[in-house]
Amino acid sequence: DAKTTQPPSMDCAEGRAANLPCNHSTISGNEYVYWYRQIHSQGPQYIIHGLKNNETNEMASLIITEDRKSSTLILPHATLRDTAVYYCIVFAGNNRKLIWGLGTSLAVNP
Amino acid sequence: EPEVTQTPSHQVTQMGQEVILRCVPISNHLYFYWYRQILGQKVEFLVSFYNNEISEKSEIFDDQFSVERPDGSNFTLKIRSTKLEDSAMYFCASSLLAGGPVETQYFGPGTRLLVL
Repeated sequence: DAKTTQPPSMDCAEGRAANLPCNHSTISGNEYVYWYRQIHSQGPQYIIHGLKNNETNEMASLIITEDRKSSTLILPHATLRDTAVYYCIVFAGNNRKLIWGLGTSLAVNP
Repeated sequence: EPEVTQTPSHQVTQMGQEVILRCVPISNHLYFYWYRQILGQKVEFLVSFYNNEISEKSEIFDDQFSVERPDGSNFTLKIRSTKLEDSAMYFCASSLLAGGPVETQYFGPGTRLLVL
């Protein structure tokens, strides 16, 4: 089973920041937090990952709490094309399979 | 930007027939994966493959499934005798074996398999 809990759905207004939460209270010390998204049943698209520190790339920012039990993916200026299912996954490199939950279905509204 | 490609994008087959799904991983990647997603359900891990052998497989990956890297670029998933319940999207992924603590998996667009 997935080790993460995410809200099933969220809405966001176009141009506003989308903040997607994820709980991973049983995360182990060697596990990373990964985020992927899936648009219309296309292949999962990698977004960002982190271990302890906050991370930012051209797509998003990842904020991980100090105790690492939860994280938030931030899309700073959501567009209609960001409408997708977003998956938060905890992943250790020595266990190479990704275990997927149901994710959060984000709807970006005009 | 390098990407994983998959062919065909759609495949319709009759129950009991064999199908081969093809993937071209990112060129310098050494670890390959297959996942599947039945309509409306979670993405499920099937198998991982490294150095010409299976590293790990799930309970789903039974004797009717096999994987192969027939040449330096392709990675294939064969389903020997398809069943109705094999209808799903099949995703190939690859990752770079760099010796670091974690390696990101990059996914292809998927093959939609429909078994009639």
